[in-house]
Order: sequence, then C-alpha cells, then structure tokens
Amino acid sequence: ETGVTQTPRHLVMGMTNKKSLKCEQHLGHNAMYWYKQSAKKPLELMFVYNFKEQTENNSVPSRFSPECPNSSHLFLHLHTLQPEDSALYLCASSQGQLGNTIYFGEGSWLTVV
Amino acid sequence: GESVGLHLPTLSVQEGDNSIINCAYSNSASDYFIWYKQESGKGPQFIIDIRSNMDKRQGQRVTVLLNKTVKHLSLQIAATQPGDSAVYFCAEKSGGSYIPTFGRGTSLIVHP
Repeated sequence: ETGVTQTPRHLVMGMTNKKSLKCEQHLGHNAMYWYKQSAKKPLELMFVYNFKEQTENNSVPSRFSPECPNSSHLFLHLHTLQPEDSALYLCASSQGQLGNTIYFGEGSWLTVV
Repeated sequence: GESVGLHLPTLSVQEGDNSIINCAYSNSASDYFIWYKQESGKGPQFIIDIRSNMDKRQGQRVTVLLNKTVKHLSLQIAATQPGDSAVYFCAEKSGGSYIPTFGRGTSLIVHP
C-alpha cells in the first residue's frame, strides 16, 4: 500500500471511446502528478498540480485532459486516443515541491485498440 | 542537454552477492537524488534519497554513494535476494526545479 490509489488498474478502450483514470492520495500531500511509462523509455511527466492548480503541462496532446478537484484527487480524462498511447499511466504525489520525494501509485495499464 | 542515465540496462547477480547499480548525471546544479525500485506490474517505490551535502547514506541493506566530482551516483544492495529483482531508477532534482528527472532504469535479476 503506497498511499496513492489508482483505478482502474487495467483499461482497454477503443479509439473513439471516452474514459477516465482516477487517482486518490491518502498522504496529505498537496502536489499531484501524472506520468506516462512506455516500454524501454524513461518516465515522461505529463501534468503537475499543486494545491489544485495546474503548474505543468509537458506538451501533452489535448486528447489527454487532467482534472484536479481537490488536493487528494486527480483524474485523467481520455478521448480519441491512438494505439501509441497504450502505456502505464502513473499517478504520484508529494508534500510540497522543492526537494520532496514523489510517491507513486501502482499505475493504470491502458491499451488502446 | 542535461540528462540522467544508467550505465547498464541489465545486471545479473547470484543470491547473496552484493549488487551495485550505477547512475550518471550531467546537471551540476542537481542537489537531490532519489533511487526507486519498480517491480513487475507495480509502480516505482521509493528506496532511499541523498542530498548533495552528503556523499553516503545508508538504509536497510542499501547504501547510496554520491560522487559530485564525477557526477556519479550508485546504489549498493547488500546480500541481494530474489525479492530484489526489479528495475531500479535514479532521479535527480536541482534547486531550480521541483520536477525530478528520471533515468531509463537498470533491470536487476537475482538468480537463486
């Protein structure tokens, strides 16, 4: 149990579907992150929220839409994805920003067909 | 550009041996370093961290060494066990950024 819970753990969706990934952190942190992890690639930062405000959008295509209703919850809305978007999507959180460790959830495995 | 990288993609060791996983970084402003372990099908798990004002830090069976002169970081695992088999990532942050930069990862395989 990492304190960061992601659902669903596995998702298969068609290219015309709309789905959402959910993340909840129970650590009292104020910053939350979405990362993408593809095979044989470093972790790619997608979005960062600090106190519910988006502070980083790492040139992510608009078919990925984040939502952060409060400091404990983070969503990633998915729409008209491509097969190359298939990857492990990791949510993470940290207390503050500078010099604080990021704690990851178990990830959501996404397959786009 | 600035980068964080790992010297070896795969490291195979026998159970009971000591393992050393290396990481090079190029950002001289990096002042905080973290090691993560990622087991198959799971998210990265924090192992140990070190700040640039230290050159060594020990945890339970793990030691991180930092050599700022050559911008090198290593993770030493003592008496490696099959449960240590995983991908290990190093990450670094500089004071000017709150986002860590991750390396590609080294796969550690422990043979019983």
